[in-house]
Amino acid sequence: QVQLQESGPGLVKPSGTLSLTCAVSGGSISSSNWWSWVRQPPGKGLEWIGEIYHSGSTNYNPSLKSRVTISVDKSKNQFSLKLSSVTAADTAVYYCAREDRYDSSGYYYGYWGQGTLVTVSS
Amino acid sequence: SYVLTQPPSVSVAPGKTARITCGGNNIGSKSVHWYQQKPGQAPVLVIYYDSDRPSGIPERFSGSNSGNTATLTISRVEAGDEADYYCQVWDSSSDHPGWVFGGGTKLTVL
Repeated sequence: QVQLQESGPGLVKPSGTLSLTCAVSGGSISSSNWWSWVRQPPGKGLEWIGEIYHSGSTNYNPSLKSRVTISVDKSKNQFSLKLSSVTAADTAVYYCAREDRYDSSGYYYGYWGQGTLVTVSS
Repeated sequence: SYVLTQPPSVSVAPGKTARITCGGNNIGSKSVHWYQQKPGQAPVLVIYYDSDRPSGIPERFSGSNSGNTATLTISRVEAGDEADYYCQVWDSSSDHPGWVFGGGTKLTVL
């Protein structure tokens, strides 16, 4: 059974950089899946941050693209998120997820991590 | 950028049918996925590719997609169905392809 586990600081100072890692178990980061980050501010909806393939190919949400970097570490079977110049508006539960293919080009989110709350505050 | 519009809330009595809509420009040409999220939990896929159900999801959950509206239908609603529901599509129409989520609909079982 595939499991994803987010880890990283729960508190980040304004103007700092948010860094999270998603450890993958029960499956390989090098499989034919995309790997995503999604966030959810308290009491609000889901927002896609970006995704990465094991080759290093990425897609980012245009509204966050200038501040986001997603990377993959195949040796550790994990992928990571960095979000720079954070403000209080970046306070959210951050989820990592695996995208599973259902046809030649279609994917859906088949597995999610439990989520981790990151608060931006001084 | 592509926008998905969901009603903020839907209420339904137990045993009745709930319909949650997801509006988007020509959404019928896209594949729509639906997720259920209960408080304090990660989302769970309940419908993919407009109308397919993952294993373990009751047949009471169904989906459709045509024109400018996709619909998640929950038949014989139970108290345990009370949750937030999100629609999702992949938008490849712009210079920056990516995932788009609807704003979410809170389903209340009366």
